[in-house]
Amino acid sequence: VQLVQSGAELRKPGASVNVSCKASGYTFTAYFIHWVRQAPGQGLEWMGWINPHGGGTNYAQKFQGRVTMTRDTSTKTVYMALSSLRSDDTAVYYCARGVGFYLGFWGQGTLVAVSS
Amino acid sequence: QSVLTQPPSASGTPGQSVTISCSGNSSNIGSNDVYWYQQLPGTAPKLLIYKNDKRPSGVPDRFSASKSGTSASLAISGLRSEDEAEYYCAAWDDRLKGLFGGGTKVTVL
Repeated sequence: VQLVQSGAELRKPGASVNVSCKASGYTFTAYFIHWVRQAPGQGLEWMGWINPHGGGTNYAQKFQGRVTMTRDTSTKTVYMALSSLRSDDTAVYYCARGVGFYLGFWGQGTLVAVSS
Repeated sequence: QSVLTQPPSASGTPGQSVTISCSGNSSNIGSNDVYWYQQLPGTAPKLLIYKNDKRPSGVPDRFSASKSGTSASLAISGLRSEDEAEYYCAAWDDRLKGLFGGGTKVTVL
């Protein structure tokens, strides 16, 4: 099982970012993908999940209206788009394969830096 | 401020035991399973405990956990230098939103 994320991104405040997470080594549609972020020196923050089988999503209240999680079953890739970026969105963003909150496999993380 | 409350730090000498608490309420820990994650510096988190007290394969039995009411705890026995890490509890709330505790940094003295 592998989850390989896209590379680091630098954005200006107000912009959007799209982070990808490419899955391999298992049946893509059999497991949810969660997104968790970690600001510098801070703890983990759950953002939401997407069900690759059907595309259903569940977002944390904090990110409702700003986050969109999508998937492409043909390439076994999940995407997390975050809009209206602010400086406090600077963080490492992780994708993780989950059954419930059993997040057994994680991507390597993607640093998103927001700065003018 | 995390809804799941953990002490910011804990420490012990090699061979000792350390216990980390995680306090929630009836809407999260009180009605859902607790999970624990270990994060070594500069790495992605790793699942340590699932469904309150179960260890995934490969996790040493030095790590144990329990849940009672609206609180949970993680115990590390026979503390080793490689256990120095950040530990997070996690649970769903009753609206099926995920919650992490604020994290506890364990230092091996």
